[in-house]
Amino acid sequence: GIQVEQSPPDLILQEGANSTLRCNFSDSVNNLQWFHQNPWGQLINLFYIPSGTKQNGRLSATTVATERYSLLYISSSQTTDSGVYFCAVVMILTGGGNKLTFGTGTQLKVEL
Amino acid sequence: NAGVMQNPRHLVRRRGQEARLRCSPMKGHSHVYWYRQLPEEGLKFMVYLQKENIIDESGMPKERFSAEFPKEGPSILRIQQVVRGDSAAYFCASSPGQGLANEKLFFGSGTQLSVL
Repeated sequence: GIQVEQSPPDLILQEGANSTLRCNFSDSVNNLQWFHQNPWGQLINLFYIPSGTKQNGRLSATTVATERYSLLYISSSQTTDSGVYFCAVVMILTGGGNKLTFGTGTQLKVEL
Repeated sequence: NAGVMQNPRHLVRRRGQEARLRCSPMKGHSHVYWYRQLPEEGLKFMVYLQKENIIDESGMPKERFSAEFPKEGPSILRIQQVVRGDSAAYFCASSPGQGLANEKLFFGSGTQLSVL
């Protein structure tokens, strides 16, 4: 099956710093999503980005599908950004529906 | 417009008991997915259901696990004779099921199952 790897696995930032998280995948995909799992375990959709670049406030994401990677940029980080960031690649299931294969995650801690 | 609702939020079972996890999809959504997250890992696909049908269960363990999505009521993930290795967070997601190639999945808050 498809492999999804994320780097770095762990990241500690001082509040206000910028960072880039990377997601590599081993095969062509139909789409890609970025999620933030907060310290309470909730999964929050950040971006749905098969290709190109999207921005939402302090976050932006870029996917280069032909080279099989995606990047998540966090600027001016805040303590509320702490948690685990997952990328997930989307494959269409036989019979319809979408299957997400999640990466290994990046554990981010933002300190004052 | 309520999101995907899962209950209970936390469930504690002793080894050998049964666990029933419930998921009510978003209003208007007819497709439901179940994912499992083991400690320190990402989520892994278990099963995909439409109303009254299991479409893809390639991620379900072959024994003790079953899922249903009846015509009326929530989707149920059932784990019989639980073992400690079943301890995990179980997430449900739903989508509209409009046949689009890239429908968004919306996730619930998960059920944390702890087996003593």
